[in-house]
Amino acid sequence: SQQGEEDPQALSIQEGENATMNCSYKTSINNLQWYRQNSGRGLVHLILIRSNEREKHSGRLRVTLDTSKKSSSLLITASRAADTASYFCATESNFGNEKLTFGTGTRLTIIP
Amino acid sequence: DAMVIQNPRYQVTQFGKPVTLSCSQTLNHNVMYWYQQKSSQAPKLLFHYYDKDFNNEADTPDNFQSRRPNTSFCFLDIRSPGLGDAAMYLCATSEVAGETQYFGPGTRLLVL
Repeated sequence: SQQGEEDPQALSIQEGENATMNCSYKTSINNLQWYRQNSGRGLVHLILIRSNEREKHSGRLRVTLDTSKKSSSLLITASRAADTASYFCATESNFGNEKLTFGTGTRLTIIP
Repeated sequence: DAMVIQNPRYQVTQFGKPVTLSCSQTLNHNVMYWYQQKSSQAPKLLFHYYDKDFNNEADTPDNFQSRRPNTSFCFLDIRSPGLGDAAMYLCATSEVAGETQYFGPGTRLLVL
């Protein structure tokens, strides 16, 4: 079964508002990553947070990680129409198997 | 610019007719991945190479094969495509296994 489950499955907000997406996973991890995918395109890496980190920022993105709850959140502040995309979390388990397991994704729509 | 390139972007094949999808990278990364992504779903890892070492996922059908003749190129061969193999196929690379992945734009496969 998939490692990550994301919540919500779909989110629509007005431009300028903040968007929060959540990811839960099942096993212990080395790192958790967030990716963006525009419709019909490849995935773009946004941010990587390691298991010993609790929070990370990159521009308008803020990621938190709670390993005790096996969950992460992605916050996009001051959303823009160009942020419309699907967002996936992906985890590398600490079994050392060299691969990522992707969550189910959140479809974010920013309404101008 | 260093990048991951996939050709073609769209591929149409007939039921049962072998097809090959191509991926090349200028990043000189050791690790290359092939994913299958169906509509509104998460990318599903088919297999990956760590240098020349091939790693097949347990649930990847035998119908899917891969070749990596050198660091830069990797191919996905579908020996007898079925209607259920219609999907987006994504190639990705990483410098360190399990860390940030860099994706190509994908090849959308249509099976008639």
